[in-house]
Amino acid sequence: EIVMTQSPATQSASPGERATLSCRASHNVNNKLAWYQQKSGQVPRLLIYGASTRATGVPARFSGSGSGTEFTLTISSLQSEDFAVYYCQQYDNWPRTFGQGTKVEIK
Amino acid sequence: QVQLVQSGAEVKKPGSSVKVSCQASGGTFNTYAVSWVRQAPGQGLEWVGAFSPIFGTTNYAQNIRDRVTISADESTTTVYLELSGLRFEDTAVYYCARDHIPAGASRYFDLWGRGTLVIVSS
Repeated sequence: EIVMTQSPATQSASPGERATLSCRASHNVNNKLAWYQQKSGQVPRLLIYGASTRATGVPARFSGSGSGTEFTLTISSLQSEDFAVYYCQQYDNWPRTFGQGTKVEIK
Repeated sequence: QVQLVQSGAEVKKPGSSVKVSCQASGGTFNTYAVSWVRQAPGQGLEWVGAFSPIFGTTNYAQNIRDRVTISADESTTTVYLELSGLRFEDTAVYYCARDHIPAGASRYFDLWGRGTLVIVSS
């Protein structure tokens, strides 16, 4: 099983600041990496797939990068609606696995 | 516009079974793979398993594979998750989630049900 490790567990930032979230896979996932956003009390929302492709309707301030085992989700300028928990997920191997999440909170 | 409509909350005793449904309202799953993802209270997302209609295959998480069955009705408008031998730690919201693109075997998910709360309590 591929273990996905996200860091940090919590990131405190102010609106307008840049946020950088990391996701590390225990084995190469061949860029088959997705990112989701989950706000409190809501279902997860797909943000990024293929490590760097934004899903439909996702603002350009969200960008994904990385390859192999190291991936990053960057939010270029945090908006109030971006404070949420973010999860990475690999879909290269069975079973599919999620990271434990990074909470982006208001400083 | 397809929506995923899940069955209502369940309260079950330890050791019993639960069957949760996910109906594609306004369409069918057809060739789209469907996964089940659960979230324990205050915890992160955990992939449980998936069904691929086009391949007719299922895949399950390692820690639960001996207790879980994912199935679909013949018309593939409804997908089911059955979990047996329930434990307190199975208490969670169970989401069904459809693949972003068809003809796959569970990749990433852009359409989610609203979740079904399963509580295991004595």
